Amino acid sequence: KAGVTQTPRYLIKTRGQQVTLSCSPISGHRSVSWYQQTPGQGLQFLFEYFSETQRNKGNFPGRFSGRQFSNSRSEMNVSTLELGDSALYLCASSPGPTGAENIQYFGAGTRLSVL
Amino acid sequence: QQQVKQSPQSLIVQKGGISIINCAYENTAFDYFPWYQQFPGKGPALLIAIRPDVSEKKEGRFTISFNKSAKQFSLHIMDSQPGDSATYFCAASRVRTGTASKLTFGTGTRLQVTL
Repeated sequence: KAGVTQTPRYLIKTRGQQVTLSCSPISGHRSVSWYQQTPGQGLQFLFEYFSETQRNKGNFPGRFSGRQFSNSRSEMNVSTLELGDSALYLCASSPGPTGAENIQYFGAGTRLSVL
Repeated sequence: QQQVKQSPQSLIVQKGGISIINCAYENTAFDYFPWYQQFPGKGPALLIAIRPDVSEKKEGRFTISFNKSAKQFSLHIMDSQPGDSATYFCAASRVRTGTASKLTFGTGTRLQVTL
């Protein structure tokens, strides 16, 4: 079974631009979560999508948004990029909110550099 | 507000020794405590997890000890090997409220196992 696929792996943008990152979950998984990883703040939860609906949201500004498609693939968008948005963005897929631990399987991430 | 505190920040252990990483949480609503292992260039991978109804869980060389009253849990790696050299993250979430996917991570421990 293929793992979580994130594209692109690396991205360089300039301040003020916007960016879209893509995530393909493990086949059969219906829940996708996004995390931001930085040396200063560590791993922080951005949001979770299930059945094309946002279920949970972290404490990030509205510039960070996401969506999920009917095939469970997800995209996240960051508008008006700031230098502080430079980070590794991780996508995690899981079967769905079944009431169990809903184990998260992470992709390798997209490393975004904002210049 | 950091809800999961992790220590130490870095750890050097000799091959064959025991590696111990500690975490403390504040939110008593947390009811799921996983540990993740991350190698450079990779996303975090689930190592072992525990629910608060047990005080210890062992899987191979990895053991989680859980102290509910102290709101602390720790990871013990027995017979540490150079291949265990990675960054380890503790995490916590709330399964009961359907937010199991919203993981709150500790700040990470960089483990180096020397020969």
